[in-house]
Amino acid sequence: AQKVTQAQTEISVVEKEDVTLDCVYETRDTTYYLFWYKQPPSGELVFLIRRNSFDEQNEISGRYSWNFQKSTSSFNFTITASQVVDSAVYFCALSDPYGGSQGNLIFGKGTKLSVKP
Amino acid sequence: DSGVTQTPKHLITATGQRVTLRCSPRSGDLSVYWYQQSLDQGLQFLIQYYNGEERAKGNILERFSAQQFPDLHSELNLSSLELGDSALYFCASSPSPGTSGYTDTQYFGPGTRLTVL
Repeated sequence: AQKVTQAQTEISVVEKEDVTLDCVYETRDTTYYLFWYKQPPSGELVFLIRRNSFDEQNEISGRYSWNFQKSTSSFNFTITASQVVDSAVYFCALSDPYGGSQGNLIFGKGTKLSVKP
Repeated sequence: DSGVTQTPKHLITATGQRVTLRCSPRSGDLSVYWYQQSLDQGLQFLIQYYNGEERAKGNILERFSAQQFPDLHSELNLSSLELGDSALYFCASSPSPGTSGYTDTQYFGPGTRLTVL
């Protein structure tokens, strides 16, 4: 069965600190997709990144970076020099296109990040 | 703004009632997904439609039903409402349905917050 674990329920940092959000996934298939979404206090879900299982290159987008390690089944998300606007709940999600979900997303419980000024 | 619209934004109703949530996908997207976000269950996939046809079902109760119309908008119908149905209901859309070996990015609408009193 597919599963996503975000062990950190809440993280609090001070502005300009770097912070890493952990995501560990479980799947039996070799082809799968991983996602990160941001849910700010306003409530909408904002897409951040999609990565397939064959692309293990780390990705950087501005202050955001993602570290994908198949050996440890992890897809961690780092925010560099955090800002108050980064305060949100962040969700990691898994999609197994060969499994019963047929591409639907399995979400972790989320990590609530609070960035204090 | 993801381009996915949902109405209404908020809905307050009583137990036993029936409500309809509406979703318009991004222009050009043929696939629509419904998710429920509750405090105890987190984010859960309910149902998926592709070009008018039901494609996949998740943890959707028998009291809930959905459809996708020829203009591609979708409606989620919730009946015989219970207190536990209070949640944030998201609609998402993607260009393709998710086929063997491929998962498209899902873009989420702002959600409909349902409160059952």
